[in-house]
Amino acid sequence: NAGVTQTPKFQVLKTGQSMTLQCAQDMNHEYMSWYRQDPGMGLRLIHYSVGAGITDQGEVPNGYNVSRSTTEDFPLRLLSAAPSQTSVYFCASSRTTLSGNTIYFGEGSWLTVV
Amino acid sequence: GENVEQHPSTLSVQEGDSAVIKCTYSDSASNYFPWYKQELGKRPQLIIDIRSNVGEKKDQRIAVTLNKTAKHFSLHITETQPEDSAVYFCAGTGGGNKLTFGTGTQLKVEL
Repeated sequence: NAGVTQTPKFQVLKTGQSMTLQCAQDMNHEYMSWYRQDPGMGLRLIHYSVGAGITDQGEVPNGYNVSRSTTEDFPLRLLSAAPSQTSVYFCASSRTTLSGNTIYFGEGSWLTVV
Repeated sequence: GENVEQHPSTLSVQEGDSAVIKCTYSDSASNYFPWYKQELGKRPQLIIDIRSNVGEKKDQRIAVTLNKTAKHFSLHITETQPEDSAVYFCAGTGGGNKLTFGTGTQLKVEL
């Protein structure tokens, strides 16, 4: 049971480049989300999905797109990378809605934009 | 939306002492409050959680208390050990599917 798998673990991008962070879970979880973590600011929600075909914005969605074509996958796309997007990104999932359901995090993706 | 404030940002205790981290939340509809521990370079891991119909929950050396009237909840770690050193995050769900995190507390347990 792999849980939540994120790739890549480390990435360096040039300003203006685009890329996709991959996230997959094998627990048949309905709820998936993306967070970014910056020093002193905790984890901030970027986008989330309550099921296949449904996505919604979180606290800091600008510059990011998501899609949820299957239950298992929830990729995060950076459209035109900016230095302000240098951060650690965590994908997370839980069985259903959050209330009372444990949220499981992936191992994180360290992104540097130069 | 939900706003979660966490204090202190850093906490240093002697091994064997207790540590207390406090959080307040703004959304009275919040009904689930998890606590996560994050070691350097690792993912956040759930250590304990509490639902709004419970005032206190304990798991060995860790306990969480919730005061719904005052909208605050706290993490208590007793008999601290060096392996408790990490960053701790509180969180609240608000009324929907969004989990809002506090800004974290760096706990250092000194020998």
